[in-house]
Amino acid sequence: DADVTQTPRNRITKTGKRIMLECSQTKGHDRMYWYRQDPGLGLRLIYYSFDVKDINKGEISDGYSVSRQAQAKFSLSLESAIPNQTALYFCATSERGQGGNIQYFGAGTRLSVL
Amino acid sequence: GESVGLHLPTLSVQEGDNSIINCAYSNSASDYFIWYKQESGKGPQFIIDIRSNMDKRQGQRVTVLLNKTVKHLSLQIAATQPGDSAVYFCAENRDETSGSRLTFGEGTQLTVNP
Repeated sequence: DADVTQTPRNRITKTGKRIMLECSQTKGHDRMYWYRQDPGLGLRLIYYSFDVKDINKGEISDGYSVSRQAQAKFSLSLESAIPNQTALYFCATSERGQGGNIQYFGAGTRLSVL
Repeated sequence: GESVGLHLPTLSVQEGDNSIINCAYSNSASDYFIWYKQESGKGPQFIIDIRSNMDKRQGQRVTVLLNKTVKHLSLQIAATQPGDSAVYFCAENRDETSGSRLTFGEGTQLTVNP
């Protein structure tokens, strides 16, 4: 079983719809992240959470919101989806600690906004 | 074969050759660096990492070199195999205060020809 599980794996939606992408982890990590990947580009950070009570904006948070329901669950919402939010979305987790740590990624959610 | 960083996003090598993938980073305060491999349809997978107090680290068939003077990072893959074909990303930890915020490069597509 995957340590970091994202659902759904694929989603097609229409402009203006609200959608939620979910992420759960069994690694016991405190820190969780949401990234977006566009074709030919690296990953860009949307939001991150260092524990259940901590939520922080990343570099491209506009148009997105998140909820950290539990240590193991971190969901990403698009309140009103628009076509330029069509992308691959990845959730990741890491241990706590200073100086940077390995982030472990889920398999991704491919989102298409028509 | 060798890439020259973000300006050459593709690298093609023959099976059995050594591969060198390069990455330039911009923040001299970055203290942690990591390489990921991303195969088609999958999430990024950790390969190897290095902290700024080191200039070389070796793993199984992979070596990462860090040159802080010129802010350059490289990933060397020995005896490249077809299964090594993927996009390779470098990432740096730029946030000194909180740690674990990785900034990703744009990636290099490695193709291994049989």
